[in-house]
Amino acid sequence: GESVGLHLPTLSVQEGDNSIINCAYSNSASDYFIWYKQESGKGPQFIIDIRSNMDKRQGQRVTVLLNKTVKHLSLQIAATQPGDSAVYFCAEIQYGGATNKLIFGTGTLLAVQP
Amino acid sequence: NAGVTQTPKFQVLKTGQSMTLQCAQDMNHEYMSWYRQDPGMGLRLIHYSVGAGITDQGEVPNGYNVSRSTTEDFPLRLLSAAPSQTSVYFCASSYSILSGSYEQYFGPGTRLTVT
Repeated sequence: GESVGLHLPTLSVQEGDNSIINCAYSNSASDYFIWYKQESGKGPQFIIDIRSNMDKRQGQRVTVLLNKTVKHLSLQIAATQPGDSAVYFCAEIQYGGATNKLIFGTGTLLAVQP
Repeated sequence: NAGVTQTPKFQVLKTGQSMTLQCAQDMNHEYMSWYRQDPGMGLRLIHYSVGAGITDQGEVPNGYNVSRSTTEDFPLRLLSAAPSQTSVYFCASSYSILSGSYEQYFGPGTRLTVT
């Protein structure tokens, strides 16, 4: 069936560098995407979202880019800090009439090296 | 607000036992859901509810039951535990998945081991 997946399972970056986490989705009808951060032993935490009528959305140190042509989503983290070390998930809304579901991708582990 | 609370934090069951994982939220959220997360994997949707009295199946509903008698509570029942249900279970809530904002608030998780 349709699914959301990630290109890279792990990403190692140096403190202070920029990080880019990628996500591919297969459902061309999806029009809402969310990035979550999950620290060890905790539940996922909302980072930023984007709708399909946008190509880019910026938050505090984070930017999400959406390329609908190739069905690709990315999360950019500027000046990566040790506190950014976590697993990052992209998620998409799957529409089902009156009820919609949030479906998560596999996740990417971001490891920040001091 | 306490946010989303889950109990217990840890649980060990024997194969065939049943139990209920509790989830409660005090934010008056309409939408609640249960996910399981297996090691090195993403979250898979088990069941969800768009409001009191309404529940529906997610990606992996087999072996689990839910009910939503109040807005605040959304318990997950394991009918007959199996080792394949060993996982970390997360409950989440949001205002409404139809409202335009899909920011979900997650509980701290319940780590379940079935032997």
